[in-house]
Amino acid sequence: EIVMTQSPGTLSVSPGESATLSCRASQSVIRDLAWYQQTPGQGPTLLIYDASTRATGIPPRFSGSGSGTEFTLTISSLQSEDFAVYYCQQYNKWPRTFGQGTKVEIK
Amino acid sequence: QEQLVESGGAVVQPGRALRLSCAASGYTFSSQAMHWVRQPPGKGLEWVAFISYHGSAQYYADYVKGRFTISRDNSKNTVSLQMNSLGAEDTAVYYCVRGFRYMDLWGNGTTVIVSS
Repeated sequence: EIVMTQSPGTLSVSPGESATLSCRASQSVIRDLAWYQQTPGQGPTLLIYDASTRATGIPPRFSGSGSGTEFTLTISSLQSEDFAVYYCQQYNKWPRTFGQGTKVEIK
Repeated sequence: QEQLVESGGAVVQPGRALRLSCAASGYTFSSQAMHWVRQPPGKGLEWVAFISYHGSAQYYADYVKGRFTISRDNSKNTVSLQMNSLGAEDTAVYYCVRGFRYMDLWGNGTTVIVSS
């Protein structure tokens, strides 16, 4: 199975600053990579798919990049509602696998 | 609006069975594949099972293969997860999720606790 590794585990950021989250795959997933946001007590929400395409209704401060094994989610000018846990997920092969998550907390 | 609502979560003894259901609304259910994804307490997301839009293809995570069965009824807009031989490691919030590749609609989850 493809192992997804996210870093860092926790990111402390001040509101208005930007955050850069990383996701690494144990083998190439081409661009078959999605990012999700999860706030406490809620189901995840799709942010980005195909590595860089924003899902419907997602603001442009969220951007994704990368291909192969290295991917990045950038959140510019963090808003209060952006403090959450973020997961990457590959869908290049079965089984579908998720990273362990990066928590973005208020500094 | 598009919505997924899970039900059936409960406290169950080890070794017993439980069936989860998910009701879809607000979109054409029969044309979309579905997954179940779970989240153990305080941990990350774990993919569990997949069923194609027509129900003829299913895939399972190794840790549930042979114990869990995913099914769907397109006439009722529902997808189910039959879970047998439950163990403590199956304790989690279980999410019903729409999608084939990426997962673009999630429910709010139903909680399964396996405990004696």
